[in-house]
Amino acid sequence: AQKITQTQPGMFVQEKEAVTLDCTYDTSDQSYGLFWYKQPSSGEMIFLIYQGSYDEQNATEGRYSLNFQKARKSANLVISASQLGDSAMYFCAMTPPRQLTFGSGTQLTVLP
Amino acid sequence: NAGVTQTPKFRVLKTGQSMTLLCAQDMNHEYMYWYRQDPGMGLRLIHYSVGEGTTAKGEVPDGYNVSRLKKQNFLLGLESAAPSQTSVYFCASIGSGQAFYEQYFGPGTRLTVT
Repeated sequence: AQKITQTQPGMFVQEKEAVTLDCTYDTSDQSYGLFWYKQPSSGEMIFLIYQGSYDEQNATEGRYSLNFQKARKSANLVISASQLGDSAMYFCAMTPPRQLTFGSGTQLTVLP
Repeated sequence: NAGVTQTPKFRVLKTGQSMTLLCAQDMNHEYMYWYRQDPGMGLRLIHYSVGEGTTAKGEVPDGYNVSRLKKQNFLLGLESAAPSQTSVYFCASIGSGQAFYEQYFGPGTRLTVT
């Protein structure tokens, strides 16, 4: 069975600084995908970034990048130049693809 | 292209009542999922489907049933609602093959059971 662990229930970052949200995973599958989602206070789930297990390059999407370390089974999200609108809950998830598994989330607060 | 839609958006039930939540996607996705999210917590998988006519149990399936009679629709049923089922329910779908990474969430259904 797959497992996702997010060890930071809450994080604070100063506006315009970078922040790293941690995610470790456990799976016996060789082929899998890793995702990060953002959930603002309004409740919707917003897809941020995806990394495939066979992708050699770390995924990047604008200010978001995924620091993928396969041997360590970690998939940390890096947000550069934080903005006030980045304050939200962030979830790491993976799919093998038959079952989508989520971590417990990290509440990020960006301070002005 | 509407993506993933959920019906209804809000519902209040009394204990023992039944209801069906509808998830619809127009992206020809193979995989569909139902999650519940309780306050301050992550998403927990209730049931999922890897194709038309197939369903499987997730982490918290008790008290729920599902059906995938058509590829585009995934129904979640509560036969006898309980206050413990008060939650926000999310549907999601994922493509397969070359579109493996395509995944979308519906806007959620907020259910209150009194």
